[in-house]
Amino acid sequence: DIQMTQSPSSLSASVGDRVTITCRASQSISSYLNWYQQKPGKAPKLLIYAASSLQSGVPSRFSGSGSGTDFTLTISSLQPEDFATYYCQQSYSTPRTFGQGTRLEIK
Amino acid sequence: EVQLVQSGAEVKKPGESLKISCKGSGYSFTSYWIGWVRQMPGKGLEWMGIIYPGDSDTRYSPSFQGQVTISADKSISTAYLQWSSLKASDTAMYYCVRLIQLGPLGFYDAFDIWGQGTMVTVSS
Repeated sequence: DIQMTQSPSSLSASVGDRVTITCRASQSISSYLNWYQQKPGKAPKLLIYAASSLQSGVPSRFSGSGSGTDFTLTISSLQPEDFATYYCQQSYSTPRTFGQGTRLEIK
Repeated sequence: EVQLVQSGAEVKKPGESLKISCKGSGYSFTSYWIGWVRQMPGKGLEWMGIIYPGDSDTRYSPSFQGQVTISADKSISTAYLQWSSLKASDTAMYYCVRLIQLGPLGFYDAFDIWGQGTMVTVSS
């Protein structure tokens, strides 16, 4: 299985901040990387696929980059509704493993 | 509206069997893979397996192979996740998900639609 490691595990930030979350794969996965957002008590929501493509309806303050083994999710200006847990997932091979999650909290 | 609607919460004892369901609507159920994702209390997401309702082709994560069975009944647009003998460690929220092909040539895939989740509690 491909292992996905996110950093940091948790992060405190303020509204308006620029935030970056990192995801590293245990082997090269080209651009086969998705990002999801999960709010407490809710199902996750797809934000970004193919490392940098924004899913329909997702605000443009979210962006993704990277290829190979290293990827980032950036939120350009944090909004109150962005405080949540974020997961990366590789779609290169089965099983489609997830990172352990990054919890984004209000400072 | 495209949606996946899951069956309700379950409370079971160790050793009991269980089958939970996920009904798709608003799209061609037989044209998309349906997957299951586990989330243990306070923990992250785990990919369990997927099924293609069109022909019942099924793939499992090695971590879940032999522990659960994924099936589908395309006549009623419903996918299932079942256990023959539950353990306390099966206590978790289980999400069904739709796998969509994305990108110009459909080379990429992701879970674009998620069910509301089914909480399974296994306790003596």
